[in-house]
Amino acid sequence: DVQLLESGGGLVQPGGSLRLSCRTSGFTFSSYAMTWVRQIPGKGLEWVSGISSSGSGKYYADSVKGRLTISRDSSTNTVYLQMKRLTVEDSATYYCAKTAGAMVYYYMDVWGKGTTVTVSS
Amino acid sequence: EVVLTQSPGTLSFSPGEKATLSCRASQSVSSNFLAWYQQKPGQAPRLLIYDASSRAADVPERFSGSGSGTDFTLTISRLEPDDFAVYFCQRYGHSPPYIFGQGTKLEIK
Repeated sequence: DVQLLESGGGLVQPGGSLRLSCRTSGFTFSSYAMTWVRQIPGKGLEWVSGISSSGSGKYYADSVKGRLTISRDSSTNTVYLQMKRLTVEDSATYYCAKTAGAMVYYYMDVWGKGTTVTVSS
Repeated sequence: EVVLTQSPGTLSFSPGEKATLSCRASQSVSSNFLAWYQQKPGQAPRLLIYDASSRAADVPERFSGSGSGTDFTLTISRLEPDDFAVYFCQRYGHSPPYIFGQGTKLEIK
């Protein structure tokens, strides 16, 4: 059974940093690209970042480019999202999602339950 | 950048009725790389349809997708109480960002 478990969310002050983790199981981690999608409560979904199966391809939404860094660790089957210089606009629930293929451009076939980031002073 | 428009924002139906949800793209979606997701309150999105018309694993047959180019449709043939949720369409394939529509809320009449 494919499972994705996010962690690392919490309350952080504007300008602060946070690292989100997504621990995965139930599939061959090294064969699939992974993505992060966020959602402001009551609002729509925003694709944030994606990383290819090999880790060589990393992509970001313009709204987070230069502040967020995606990475993956095949030894622990975990994908990370390092978040820096956070603003109130980054407050959202962050979902980790597995894509259906090795490249980031595939659809997302399995989602985690999400972790909530609140940026506030 | 492609914009996906889902209208109307809210649809009201009774259980047993047929619902048709629309997703319109500002540019043609190549290779019909269009997915539909269902999201219930407090839950993560769930993949329903990919490649515009292919049902994901364990998705009931009452859900079907159709369309091509710029106009796509999600049809739920006979609504069950569990189907009342928010539905998002998404373009994927080629270069990011992978845009979502703003969602259509399906509510019980």
